[in-house]
Amino acid sequence: LAKTTQPISMDSYEGQEVNITCSHNNIATNDYITWYQQFPSQGPRFIIQGYKTKVTNEVASLFIPADRKSSTLSLPRVSLSDTAVYYCLVGDSGAGSYQLTFGKGTKLSVIP
Amino acid sequence: NAGVTQTPKFQVLKTGQSMTLQCAQDMNHEYMSWYRQDPGMGLRLIHYSVGAGITDQGEVPNGYNVSRSTTEDFPLRLLSAAPSQTSVYFCASSWSPESDTQYFGPGTRLTVL
Repeated sequence: LAKTTQPISMDSYEGQEVNITCSHNNIATNDYITWYQQFPSQGPRFIIQGYKTKVTNEVASLFIPADRKSSTLSLPRVSLSDTAVYYCLVGDSGAGSYQLTFGKGTKLSVIP
Repeated sequence: NAGVTQTPKFQVLKTGQSMTLQCAQDMNHEYMSWYRQDPGMGLRLIHYSVGAGITDQGEVPNGYNVSRSTTEDFPLRLLSAAPSQTSVYFCASSWSPESDTQYFGPGTRLTVL
């Protein structure tokens, strides 16, 4: 299984840019990197996905270096509503099945 | 589209009781899965299905059964509830097993006394 390592928690003030880095040293060639966001008492919600270099959407940016052993989720100018747990996932396509493995995620607290 | 729906939202069981958690999606997704989430933990995969009639075990399958008779529905059955199964259960679906973009339901909070 491709495992990921993220910081357990982060604090940020409103209006700041937040960067959450995820390590995935044993990522497979065909694996994509996906980030989810989860608010309390809700199911996770897809944020962004990438394979290499940089991906940007209306919510976030994802930076992936050439070796793909890590990735960084960047949230521009966070607000209080961005307080949530953020999960970095790398798909496991081994053994003919496809399973996503969720770690403990990074709990982001945005401070006024 | 309603997306992924789960019922019930809350449930309290006594040890040894059985019940079925319902999950349905109206997006014609082939891939469906069940996760459990314990306090302060990430999600752990229980069972998944790549299409009607096909199911397989995830990371923590013991004590749970699933079936997939239709594309839309993927119920999760607890055979004999135990306190260790107290958790929040999430159902998810996606277009294909290879898709990382999964759509999650609102969850079922289960307490086993």
